[in-house]
Amino acid sequence: EAQVTQNPRYLITVTGKKLTVTCSQNMNHEYMSWYRQDPGLGLRQIYYSMNVEVTDKGDVPEGYKVSRKEKRNFPLILESPSPNQTSLYFCASSLFRITGELFFGEGSRLTVL
Amino acid sequence: GQNIDQPTEMTATEGAIVQINCTYQTSGFNGLFWYQQHAGEAPTFLSYNVLDGLEEKGRFSSFLSRSKGYSYLLLKELQMKDSASYLCAVRDKGSYIPTFGRGTSLIVHP
Repeated sequence: EAQVTQNPRYLITVTGKKLTVTCSQNMNHEYMSWYRQDPGLGLRQIYYSMNVEVTDKGDVPEGYKVSRKEKRNFPLILESPSPNQTSLYFCASSLFRITGELFFGEGSRLTVL
Repeated sequence: GQNIDQPTEMTATEGAIVQINCTYQTSGFNGLFWYQQHAGEAPTFLSYNVLDGLEEKGRFSSFLSRSKGYSYLLLKELQMKDSASYLCAVRDKGSYIPTFGRGTSLIVHP
């Protein structure tokens, strides 16, 4: 089954404790991206990757890191989480084609205390 | 970048028709998407418009006017399961990356 898988789905952590949210897709997509979604603000892009070893900042990259060592994986790293990073996070991927619709993971709800 | 505007919330009755509007300003245009997102779930792709006109897909249709910077999503024969947030996303010319509006929360009541 074609899918984007994120882990963990739910996480409560404390300020400053490094964490990684994994994202994996099995559709051989070149493009992958991370979004955060907050009430009233919609989906905001954190980082994206056009292909292996190619990553770039989105609209709200501060406090996050990413890597793209393999085509299928695009982990999101919070080196020192803070309460303002409490949010719902979505990973998405797509093929480079005319429509290029995004396929989203199920989301990771992160709470930073 | 783009400025994308859509209503925050709409309500409609089961069986009715509802139109969700999206207006945008962009320096160049390379496609407009509509996604559906149920509460607590991932967004799912509904439609893509890059040329002017109406694209129909079952109960859902999407319209685009590039000269007016305007799109709408039309939902017919509304069902309770259509209660969701509808996200408009616009892609700039020369860019692969869409920018999302804040979404319209649609509540369908009996």
